[in-house]
Amino acid sequence: SAVISQKPSRDICQRGTSLTIQCQVDSQVTMMFWYRQQPGQSLTLIATANQGSEATYESGFVIDKFPISRPNLTFSTLTVSNMSPEDSSIYLCSVVEGGSGETQYFGPGTRLLVL
Amino acid sequence: ILNVEQSPQSLHVQEGDSTNFTCSFPSSNFYALHWYRWETAKSPEALFVMTLNGDEKKKGRISATLNTKEGYSYLYIKGSQPEDSATYLCASPQGGYNKLIFGAGTRLAVHP
Repeated sequence: SAVISQKPSRDICQRGTSLTIQCQVDSQVTMMFWYRQQPGQSLTLIATANQGSEATYESGFVIDKFPISRPNLTFSTLTVSNMSPEDSSIYLCSVVEGGSGETQYFGPGTRLLVL
Repeated sequence: ILNVEQSPQSLHVQEGDSTNFTCSFPSSNFYALHWYRWETAKSPEALFVMTLNGDEKKKGRISATLNTKEGYSYLYIKGSQPEDSATYLCASPQGGYNKLIFGAGTRLAVHP
């Protein structure tokens, strides 16, 4: 399975600032996704990171708040913009190596606290 | 929106006990059911992807069953060990084969 790393692993940020989270995979993958888990909540899909084009966002998430880049098949970034305490969450990237419906593998997550 | 429910929310067992928990999901338009184990400060670890009604999968002391007609899956752990302590998540796709909808998880604590 793919080995996935994320940076930073954790951060404490002030409200109104932005944080960019990086996701690096050790092999080329077809699909990459970004999830978040707010305290006490389920893991929720934010968007699908599309290589070479704009990300596809789920209901309730918008590009201005969560801009995503995916310049190649091994790397993606998620930016959390103009942060508020409600953005305090664990953010995870995930990948699918093969076709649709295959196992998703997750990174270790970025633990974000917004004060 | 697909609702994936897990019970119980948390579970405390003694080392050596066997345990099980439940994941329920709407049975219409079923595609797959994923189980993950998530230990604190680590990546969620994929345990099983189940697609066939009546399927049973096993990985060491952990096994899972699937009933797509009634919309539930059970995860069993035989002879729990402290290293089994983790949150166990189930998820099912909606609106796309890879768009996973997760349950809230079952937090398992195994006491020596």
